Amino acid sequence: GEDVEQSLFLSVREGDSSVINCTYTDSSSTYLYWYKQEPGAGLQLLTYIFSNMDMKQDQRLTVLLNKKDKHLSLRIADTQTGDSAIYFCAERKAAGNKLTFGGGTRVLVKP
Amino acid sequence: GAVVSQHPSWVICKSGTSVKIECRSLDFQATTMFWYRQFPKQSLMLMATSNEGSKATYEQGVEKDKFLINHASLTLSTLTVTSAHPEDSSFYICSAGRQVEDIQYFGAGTRLSVL
Repeated sequence: GEDVEQSLFLSVREGDSSVINCTYTDSSSTYLYWYKQEPGAGLQLLTYIFSNMDMKQDQRLTVLLNKKDKHLSLRIADTQTGDSAIYFCAERKAAGNKLTFGGGTRVLVKP
Repeated sequence: GAVVSQHPSWVICKSGTSVKIECRSLDFQATTMFWYRQFPKQSLMLMATSNEGSKATYEQGVEKDKFLINHASLTLSTLTVTSAHPEDSSFYICSAGRQVEDIQYFGAGTRLSVL
């Protein structure tokens, strides 16, 4: 199959770290992305990783990729209330430029 | 850079009318634009891929005559929902890709409500 799967919901306390997980099935994926969507808005690109990388860090965001297990994670350090949103992972295959999205993980940050 | 503007942000129309949604890349040229549909609390479903100067490529199950896509320039793609019905009510989002990088930049979305 060509599914991208994510857990539905994550609750975290302000100041703690959040880890959002994503699994995919297509080993030919070239790029993997994390997007953030706030209520009623479009998608904001947070970060992305090329498939030959294991890790990428950008300020509070750390992306880990386990290509063998087809597992992608996004860690948000020092989570803030403004991080409450839906987070989508997406994969891009080697052929073509279409993205396949996961179902989204709703992150709720409690003060 | 890489700003995608989508208009209108919200539209309410009567059943049977047609609605046009615009997607513009403001500061870059987009050879490819994508149109997605998102139902409440669900993920994005790709409807079609729009290439400048050629016919759009529709995903399986998407009616070409219902959702007309035009990509007349490198900065503008339009989606027209023809003869809209209540079941077409949804959140429509466009994205645009730059040639120099493998990233899609998204518009803010258009909420369509058909009465």
